[in-house]
This record gives sequence, structure tokens and C-alpha cells, in this order.
Amino acid sequence: SQQGEEDPQALSIQEGENATMNCSYKTSINNLQWYRQNSGRGLVHLILIRSNEREKHSGRLRVTLDTSKKSSSLLITASRAADTASYFCAALSFQGAQKLVFGQGTRLTINP
Amino acid sequence: GAGVSQSPSNKVTEKGKDVELRCDPISGHTALYWYRQSLGQGLEFLIYFQGNSAPDKSGLPSDRFSAERTGGSVSTLTIQRTQQEDSAVYLCASISGVAANTGELFFGEGSRLTVL
Repeated sequence: SQQGEEDPQALSIQEGENATMNCSYKTSINNLQWYRQNSGRGLVHLILIRSNEREKHSGRLRVTLDTSKKSSSLLITASRAADTASYFCAALSFQGAQKLVFGQGTRLTINP
Repeated sequence: GAGVSQSPSNKVTEKGKDVELRCDPISGHTALYWYRQSLGQGLEFLIYFQGNSAPDKSGLPSDRFSAERTGGSVSTLTIQRTQQEDSAVYLCASISGVAANTGELFFGEGSRLTVL
């Protein structure tokens, strides 16, 4: 089963608005990471939050982690048309093999 | 190279043929992953190589799929007797040995496989 599950599956907002995407996971984790994928391209790492952190910022990105609820959120503030992409979370589990398991992603569309 | 390189970028083959997909990871990266992504879907884990350890093959969907990593660097994913459901983008990613259990993956641009 997928370790990371994003919600919503698709999100469409106006330029300048904030976009929030959520991710849930199932087992204890070492860290959780967010990636971005432009159409037809590979994934690019955005931000990593460790299991002992609760919030992390990078530019217009803010990530939160709630290990009690096994969930994370990615907030993109002041969205731009160039933010249009798919966003994936991936959790690195303590259990079993040390592999990153990705969710299905959130397809974000920023309308100009 | 500067990044993860995958080849071919596009491959069209006939059902029943074998295909080989190649991944050149970032120099010095000791861990390498293969994922499969069907159209509009998420990433499906296939196989994971970490240094000299036995690879984690738990994601390979059938015995038609195999992968190897020679000399701890270049990896080849082989699909035998391809089926139409094998059509997807195959993504390779690598990570440095120091950060293998904690850090970020660097992805290639993928190999798009179409089985007719």
C-alpha cells in the first residue's frame, strides 16, 4: 500500500491565492519529503521535514508535520502560474527497507 | 555527469519484444531507485539498490522485470516479453551514500515506454 496519500487529487485556484495540499501516511517515519513534477518531466525535490520537526519554511513553501495524526501539509503562498504542476509527498519509513514510497499526487492548476 | 541521465527518452516497441532502459546516476551516489509512473498516476516503486547490499526487488510487478547495477554505478532495467500494460514512464533516481537514509532523491527525466 502507498505510504503517502495526497489530498486533494486536483486543485485549481487563482493566481495570488494560497494552495494547500495534504498528505497522510501509515507507519512511523524518519522523514517526509515533498516533490514537484512538471508535465512530462522528472520529479524535483522541494523540501524535507524530519520526524522531530513540526514546521519548516522555504521561500513561499511551508510544510507542517503532525506525527500523531500521521499527516503533513504543503502550503504554497501567493501562488503563480508557474507553480502549476503535480505535487507528491514521499515518506521514508523506519520499518522495512529504506525506500521512499510516493503517493498519487495532487495536480495543482494556477489560473492567471 | 551533472544529473541523473536516462536513455532512451522514448521507446516504442511491439508486444512480446524485450526492452532495456538505462540509468546513469550522479557520480558518487551509492543508492539508486527505479519507479514506474503510468499516465496521470503516482510513482510505483520497482527496485532499490544500496551500495553492495542485496537490492530490494519487492516492487517488481512480475518475473518479466529485472534490473542490475554494474560496478555500483550504471543500472539497467530489463523488461522481457513486453505487454501493453507495461506502457509507462520509467523513472530512475539516485541519492548520495551519506544521505541515503535521510536525504533527497535526484530524478532523471524518465524513459517513456509505449508497447503497441
